[in-house]
Amino acid sequence: GAGVSQSPRYKVAKRGQDVALRCDPISGHVSLFWYQQALGQGPEFLTYFQNEAQLDKSGLPSDRFFAERPEGSVSTLKIQRTQQEDSAVYLCASSLGQTNSPLHFGNGTRLTVT
Amino acid sequence: GQQLNQSPQSMFIQEGEDVSMNCTSSSIFNTWLWYKQDPGEGPVLLIALYKAGELTSNGRLTAQFGITRKDSFLNISASIPSDVGIYFCAGQHSNYGGSQGNLIFGKGTKLSVKP
Repeated sequence: GAGVSQSPRYKVAKRGQDVALRCDPISGHVSLFWYQQALGQGPEFLTYFQNEAQLDKSGLPSDRFFAERPEGSVSTLKIQRTQQEDSAVYLCASSLGQTNSPLHFGNGTRLTVT
Repeated sequence: GQQLNQSPQSMFIQEGEDVSMNCTSSSIFNTWLWYKQDPGEGPVLLIALYKAGELTSNGRLTAQFGITRKDSFLNISASIPSDVGIYFCAGQHSNYGGSQGNLIFGKGTKLSVKP
């Protein structure tokens, strides 16, 4: 597709369940980012990949959050044992990775933990 | 996590009015960015600023990178109905191989149409 694609668009999980969120970046984009956006807030950085290497995971809120990009393309953000405070929109963004390359965001996955 | 101070939080506009919003930070940024987010969509980049003092326009939008590198403003001239949405400022400290990456966002300014 032409843009960053995220699936599912909506996910409802019971507290304690594991979830997996998928991101398909724009073809050829080497950089991939995950952000978390709580209701009424701006996005907050979670983690960054350059190709398959996870170069920064300083924004992951706990060890229940795990991200991977094994072949340097599609990425999955996994949240184990979900809690209510995990409810948010999870945004994926990709870029060419060149100087001043802009980030292109997907439309996000809205996660609701009940 | 750290967020920028963005104001105003919300504002009502009438078609044709000029709009102004700003962002301040306690720390210095190398890059300032302005995004617009419509409901159910991801943020879309409007303007990027890379040098202190830089003034950049994109159609009816004008943004400036503050001299102190701790603030930025966005102006929208002659607003139209499709300007409605949430505007975010974002700052970047580091540069991942040149890409705009670890961004710190403000809480947003919500633009609505005056009833």
